[in-house]
Amino acid sequence: EVQLVESGGGLVQPGGSLRLSCAASGFTFRTYWMNWVRQTPAKGLEWVANIDPDGRVESYVDPVKGRFTISRDNAKNSLYLQMNSLSGEDTAVYYCLAGSAKWGQGSVVTVSS
Amino acid sequence: DVVLTQSPVSLSATLGQPASLSCRSSHSLVHSDGNIRLDWFQQRPGQSPRRLIYYVSNRDSGVPDRFSGSGSGTDFTLRISRVEAEDVGVYYCMQYTHWPHTFGQGTRVEIK
Repeated sequence: EVQLVESGGGLVQPGGSLRLSCAASGFTFRTYWMNWVRQTPAKGLEWVANIDPDGRVESYVDPVKGRFTISRDNAKNSLYLQMNSLSGEDTAVYYCLAGSAKWGQGSVVTVSS
Repeated sequence: DVVLTQSPVSLSATLGQPASLSCRSSHSLVHSDGNIRLDWFQQRPGQSPRRLIYYVSNRDSGVPDRFSGSGSGTDFTLRISRVEAEDVGVYYCMQYTHWPHTFGQGTRVEIK
């Protein structure tokens, strides 16, 4: 069974940092482009970042460039999102995706003082 | 960025009747490899999105055949041939021809 399980979300103060993790199982992780997508009631679904199967090519949407870093460890079947300089605009449910077909259950990130 | 505009914003559907959801793109979604990278997702209340259709018209495994996708260039449609109660939720189109990948704002389907 395909599973993507996010962890690491929570409440953080503005300007703070958080690292999301995504543990993958049930499929050949090392062959998939991996992605982070976030969702808010106001903005809907927003692609955040993606990374190629080898971990060499990364892409980010403009609002997170220079603040977020996507990475992966194919030996551990894991995806990560390091989020720095967080603001209220980053409050969202963050989903880990394998390609576009497989989604995790989401991890809630709340940025508030 | 590519803007995907979905219509209607909400749809009150009748059980057993067809429903049609539209997704219009601000740019052509034909990729340089010739494919059109446009997917459809269903998000039921309290759940993560689930992909229904990929590359415009290919149904994912386990998706009922009452769901079908069509379109080309900039205009795309998701059709439900006979709406069932379990189809309640929000439906999103998403393009990954151009970076950044973008989603439509969604169409909410409820039962009349």
